[in-house]
Amino acid sequence: GENVEQHPSTLSVQEGDSAVIKCTYSDSASNYFPWYKQELGKRPQLIIDIRSNVGEKKDQRIAVTLNKTAKHFSLHITETQPEDSAVYFCAATSGTYKYIFGTGTRLKVLA
Amino acid sequence: GAVVSQHPSRVICKSGTSVKIECRSLDFQATTMFWYRQFPKQSLMLMATSNEGSKATYEQGVEKDKFLINHASLTLSTLTVTSAHPEDSSFYICSARGGQGANYGYTFGSGTRLTVV
Repeated sequence: GENVEQHPSTLSVQEGDSAVIKCTYSDSASNYFPWYKQELGKRPQLIIDIRSNVGEKKDQRIAVTLNKTAKHFSLHITETQPEDSAVYFCAATSGTYKYIFGTGTRLKVLA
Repeated sequence: GAVVSQHPSRVICKSGTSVKIECRSLDFQATTMFWYRQFPKQSLMLMATSNEGSKATYEQGVEKDKFLINHASLTLSTLTVTSAHPEDSSFYICSARGGQGANYGYTFGSGTRLTVV
């Protein structure tokens, strides 16, 4: 089955700097890759997603890149703000729609 | 937008008792519901997938007789933790497929924090 690895587990950046979180997946059939932001005790919120037929997608300060050959995808947050502090999860899924989540990255943006 | 209502948000129960968690899709039909468990500072681990009107499919290592899932209608799925033990204390969260416009869109419930004492 699918296995998703996520790095780093924790990440601290200064406000205004960029943050990058990387994920790798194992199942070449996976074709949809969402990223979720989860604040403490709350439900995960979808922040951006990418499909396998696209290499990059951007939404304001957030971007996601996908390398199908290498089976890895990354989340990029530019001009980080304190409110970006949260746990971020990547996920991968194929036609079964079953999401396999990465282990999470705790991002701290230092003011 | 799509909303999944999950209740209760918090529950404390005694060891040996059962707890039922409900997830309702409020404005769309959820043909598939996923149930996840999340331990503190850990990722969301898929427990089971339920399709309306059929038996749930459990992930490896998840006891189907302990975690009973019922998906009797297109808008309601329930997870019952039977004979709960302290090690079952966790954050349980459901997710329904559909309603976000994307083919693979998930809508998460707000989660249930279960504490077994």
